[in-house]
Parts: sequence; structure tokens; C-alpha cells
Amino acid sequence: QITLKESGPTLVKPTQTLTLTCSFSGFSLSTTGVGVGWIRQPPGKALECLALIYWDDDRQYSPSLKSRLTITKDTSKNQVVLTMTDMDPMDTATYYCVHQYDDNAFDFWGHGTLVTVSS
Amino acid sequence: DIVMTQTPLSLPVTPGEPASISCRSSQSLLNSDDGNIYVDWYLQKPGQSPQLLIHTLSYRASGVPDRFSGSESGADFTLKINRVEAEDVGLYYCMQRIEFPYSFGQGTKLEIK
Repeated sequence: QITLKESGPTLVKPTQTLTLTCSFSGFSLSTTGVGVGWIRQPPGKALECLALIYWDDDRQYSPSLKSRLTITKDTSKNQVVLTMTDMDPMDTATYYCVHQYDDNAFDFWGHGTLVTVSS
Repeated sequence: DIVMTQTPLSLPVTPGEPASISCRSSQSLLNSDDGNIYVDWYLQKPGQSPQLLIHTLSYRASGVPDRFSGSESGADFTLKINRVEAEDVGLYYCMQRIEFPYSFGQGTKLEIK
């Protein structure tokens, strides 16, 4: 059974760097075709795809946020980490971790973690 | 980025009646190499994470009831629910997966009359 769980701070100050961790089970990021990504949802707004990392360490970033995002994986720990620099109140959102296989749709989602950016 | 435009944004439905949600993309979602159309549909039930309903235009995800179906008509992609049930309430999103960044529609809120 595949599960994903997001963890990280619930409150960050403007200009700070956000670090989120996705801990997963039921699959390995060393398996060919597997990917893990991050999606966010500002309160009352639509979903936005931020970044994806694949089994072969290939990475994709949203162009509008690319300069602020870094996604990494630790296969031995079954974790994926997303860092976002220079946080702004507009970055307040629920951040979801997702599983993807073979470039297919996101078939498993974490419960999400709400991050508020405020001084 | 590819823009996905959903209509309607709000959809009140009587239980047992059909429902339909449309999504239009700003660019083609057809992969000419494999002939697939890369649009997916998700349902976010109140207080929950989104869940996959339909992938690659018309394939139901595992465990999704057959009252849900996906299709295309010209430039529009459509999610249809044959007979709406109370458990179908929530926000429905289309998502394009032809190119990164994958992008979502604004969401359609389905509610029970």
C-alpha cells in the first residue's frame, strides 16, 4: 500500500526558506519509472504543480518558481525534500506530496500540510 | 504554460440526475506519438486531498465507479457523472499532463440540491 506524508513548519516568516519533507512507503524511488512531486493549493484557490523528481534523478520545476525551488531525494530514507527560498505571504498554501509512475497521473496523494507565511 | 479553463465553476445537482463538467485547454493535449490525450480528472472531497478519477482522457482509476466517464468533444474535455450521489460532492479539477508544468483548471464545485 502506497502512502505519502508531508512534514515541515506550519509557519514561516517572509524571506525565510521553507523546507518540506515527503516521507513515503509502499514503493521505492529507485524503481524505474517512479516519480514524486509537490503540488500546492492556496486557500480557496486551484492546484499548482511545483516540482517533480524521478527515479533517475531527473527533475522538473515550474518555470515561474524555478529560481526558488530545489527538489532532492534520499532513496535510502524513502524521502523527498522540497526547499523554497524567499517565502512570501502569497506562498501560503497546503502543500501536497504526490506519487507518479511512468509519467502517468498522480495516483496517490499525501494528506497535505498547511504552510502559513506571516511575520 | 498551458491554461485549463473549466465550466461551470458551480454545479448544483439533484441526486440521481446526471452532471457534466467541461474543460478546455489553451493547447492541444494530443500526443502525436502515441495518440493519447493527456487530460486527467480529480475529485477533492471536503477536507480531503484530491483523488484521481479519470486519467488519459477516459480511463477510470482503480476503484472509481463506472458512473464516472471522460470524453472529448472538439476542443473540450468532459467529465460526466451518470447519476449523481451524495458522496460525489466536492471540487472537480481537470489537469493537463502533456507538458510540464502540469496545470489544473480552476475547479468546479459540485453540490447537492
